[in-house]
Amino acid sequence: RKEVEQDPGPFNVPEGATVAFNCTYSNSASQSFFWYRQDCRKEPKLLMSVYSSGNEDGRFTAQLNRASQYISLLIRDSKLSDSATYLCGGGANNLFFGTGTRLTVIP
Amino acid sequence: ETGVTQSPTHLIKTRGQQVTLRCSSQSGHNTVSWYQQALGQGPQFIFQYYREEENGRGNFPPRFSGLQFPNYSSELNVNALELDDSALYLCASSLGSGVLSYEQYFGPGTRLTVT
Repeated sequence: RKEVEQDPGPFNVPEGATVAFNCTYSNSASQSFFWYRQDCRKEPKLLMSVYSSGNEDGRFTAQLNRASQYISLLIRDSKLSDSATYLCGGGANNLFFGTGTRLTVIP
Repeated sequence: ETGVTQSPTHLIKTRGQQVTLRCSSQSGHNTVSWYQQALGQGPQFIFQYYREEENGRGNFPPRFSGLQFPNYSSELNVNALELDDSALYLCASSLGSGVLSYEQYFGPGTRLTVT
């Protein structure tokens, strides 16, 4: 079983929509979780860390559910510029990533 | 920009050859992790170096090896290249390691093509 799994999508949403991604992890010892954004043929860029208490940064909200072993990312009021692949990463002292979820925001 | 640099940007090698990829970590970071990202996939963890010691390894064969230098820069070496090794190789630097994974910042990657 993979350490981290996420729905590859694609998610196609209209501008202004709210979209949510989930990501599950298998190692209950995992302590740290992150969301990254990756544009086509570019490196992943850190979007936000995921804390036990949740984390909000503008239109982006990340949540951690340890009981069910998943993390989520909510994007409100989607912009065209949000179109990208969103990677979740989690682990103990090493990070493992999911396959990424492709988001396309449509005008 | 993250301040993490990688060289070369692109590389073409023949099956059976050996390759060395290089990574300079962000100033102040003492940990480098290496990932392989095939097309359409997420980054796969190869290994991590913390203060010049290997500190975790993913499911990669021994022909993938690495080094970290006193200035915390790092090398990834791959011997006996196979066609399936064609991928984007990413390094990421972080402030430290341990029970918690610190935020990792990626370099631009080296795109390796094996023919």
